[in-house]
Amino acid sequence: EVQLVESGGGSVQPGGSLRLSCAASGFTFSAYSMNWVRQAPGKGLEWISYIDSSSSRIYYADSVKGRFTISRDNAKNSLYLQMNSLRDEDMAVYYCVRDWAYAFDYWGQGTLVTVSS
Amino acid sequence: QSALTQPASVSGSPGQSITISCTGTSSDVGFYNHVSWYQQHPGKVPKVVIYAVSKRPSGVSDRFSGSKSDNTASLTISGLQAEDEADYYCSSYTTGTTWVFGGGTKLTVL
Repeated sequence: EVQLVESGGGSVQPGGSLRLSCAASGFTFSAYSMNWVRQAPGKGLEWISYIDSSSSRIYYADSVKGRFTISRDNAKNSLYLQMNSLRDEDMAVYYCVRDWAYAFDYWGQGTLVTVSS
Repeated sequence: QSALTQPASVSGSPGQSITISCTGTSSDVGFYNHVSWYQQHPGKVPKVVIYAVSKRPSGVSDRFSGSKSDNTASLTISGLQAEDEADYYCSSYTTGTTWVFGGGTKLTVL
């Protein structure tokens, strides 16, 4: 069974940093590209970052470019998102999502990031 | 990258069919056949119901179908059931090597 479990969310002040982690199991993690997708409270979905299986291709949405960094450790079956210079508008549930045929087939339960002074 | 345009809400009675549109541009929906649709029940995680414009993942009811014409993709749900009541989001890969979602459509089963 495919499982994606996010951790690292919490409350942070504007301008602060957080590092999200996603532990993957139930599939060959090193063979799949991965994404982070977020959803602000009561709002829609927003794709924010992609990393291919070998970390060769990395893409970001304009809204987080230069502030967020995606990475992975295939030996640890883990995906990460380093978030710096956090803003009010970054407050959301962050989902770790597996990439499949340019779609998103498995989603974690999400981790909530709250940005507030 | 601008969000794809979806109607805020649609409704239908049990047994009827509904269609949700998703309008993009020649740089996303109109350029690639990489349109997907997601169903999200309140408090739940999104679930893919259509990928590659019209393909259904294993386990998804054949009442769900997808299509595309020019810059607009569509999701049709036939034989509407109470359990179909949810938010639906479209997504497309773009020429800017990013993905973009629609704003979401709330489906109400009357």
